[in-house]
Amino acid sequence: DAKTTQPPSMDCAEGRAANLPCNHSTISGNEYVYWYRQIHSQGPQYIIHGLKNNETNEMASLIITEDRKSSTLILPHATLRDTAVYYCIARGKNFGNEKLTFGTGTRLTIIP
Amino acid sequence: DAGITQSPRHKVTETGTPVTLRCHQTENHRYMYWYRQDPGHGLRLIHYSYGVKDTDKGEVSDGYSVSRSKTEDFLLTLESATSSQTSVYFCAISPGLAGVNEQFFGPGTRLTVL
Repeated sequence: DAKTTQPPSMDCAEGRAANLPCNHSTISGNEYVYWYRQIHSQGPQYIIHGLKNNETNEMASLIITEDRKSSTLILPHATLRDTAVYYCIARGKNFGNEKLTFGTGTRLTIIP
Repeated sequence: DAGITQSPRHKVTETGTPVTLRCHQTENHRYMYWYRQDPGHGLRLIHYSYGVKDTDKGEVSDGYSVSRSKTEDFLLTLESATSSQTSVYFCAISPGLAGVNEQFFGPGTRLTVL
């Protein structure tokens, strides 16, 4: 799995868009970018994943650069409940070995 | 939310005693995982299972064993607990179908070894 780099912490005002960056400059062509988050004391929660194209679901949008060396998770209208640690993970599609490697992530704090 | 529960949710035990943590799922997912989470280390994989009676080691498997006799249950056993095994333990499941498979996590078990 490719190494990912995230800022250790970020703040965002409530109601604004939160943009969380992730660098994965060594990502290979068949590796996906996954995002999970962990709200205090709870288990991690899957948010979104993508390969090349930008993706959007009910929780967030994922923007992947054309060279795939970095990506940005966007929470369009951040609420206090979005305060959490966000993990960016790059890994291949491999049905036989589904292990995830979590780094230390970005601690996002939503400010009222 | 995925149907995944962990028991117990909290446990305090003494060094040298055996401990078993249980993960139960109602999703009929093929893959099950045990992770531990410690400050400064993020989540680390202990063991995982890719089917009934099929298990494999993760990156921090020493001192732990697992068993999966039914699709829905994945047990993590500390044969002789040590203080270094004080941690929060998370179970996760994923369907293991063709394509990209996200993992769904349980609520966690906080284990303290005195």
